[in-house]
Amino acid sequence: EAGVAQSPRYKIIEKRQSVAFWCNPISGHATLYWYQQILGQGPKLLIQFQNNGVVDDSQLPKDRFSAERLKGVDSTLKIQPAKLEDSAVYLCASSTNVPDRFHQFSTDTQYFGPGTRLTVL
Amino acid sequence: DAKTTQPPSMDCAEGRAANLPCNHSTISGNEYVYWYRQIHSQGPQYIIHGLKNNETNEMASLIITEDRKSSTLILPHATLRDTAVYYCIVRVLNRDDKIIFGKGTRLHILP
Repeated sequence: EAGVAQSPRYKIIEKRQSVAFWCNPISGHATLYWYQQILGQGPKLLIQFQNNGVVDDSQLPKDRFSAERLKGVDSTLKIQPAKLEDSAVYLCASSTNVPDRFHQFSTDTQYFGPGTRLTVL
Repeated sequence: DAKTTQPPSMDCAEGRAANLPCNHSTISGNEYVYWYRQIHSQGPQYIIHGLKNNETNEMASLIITEDRKSSTLILPHATLRDTAVYYCIVRVLNRDDKIIFGKGTRLHILP
């Protein structure tokens, strides 16, 4: 099956400019995640969607970051205006809620895209 | 904050078993142990997860101690392609529970 697609793969902008990232999850996956990964650290969850509704956006800097998933499929993440500290890789992941062999509903097996590397100058 | 502790880096000779430890001394009864890995310039990849029994799949084996306070991921025959950062995570299995990544263990496979 096709994996999670993200574009662009790389983006360089100057501070105070705006930028948008796009994600196409695996077909049929109801849950979509955006992560920020700063160099040398593990990914940090920014926002989680269940279909087109937001489940968790507690870590999203809402003064400058926004995300949407209008039709419950593709998603966009926007930064406006960008700051130097926003330089990072932005990862999109998707998962499907199916019972695993422990007979629990599982959002595990999050499938990650290749990420977008953002450099803010 | 991540609820796990891992060594920052490890080396392993190619063809040998790589044993990656993880401490999760505050794990709750309904939390599972997950392992992901991230190869350079790629997104994280799911490896395996378990609750209290040892688990094995085509990628790796997971050994969880009886008190569940620590676990070991075993790559039975490491290859150069296994060079990556390995993340140990504990989480509850429900649709709203998020994955919190720590800094992981950077595994170097030596030729």
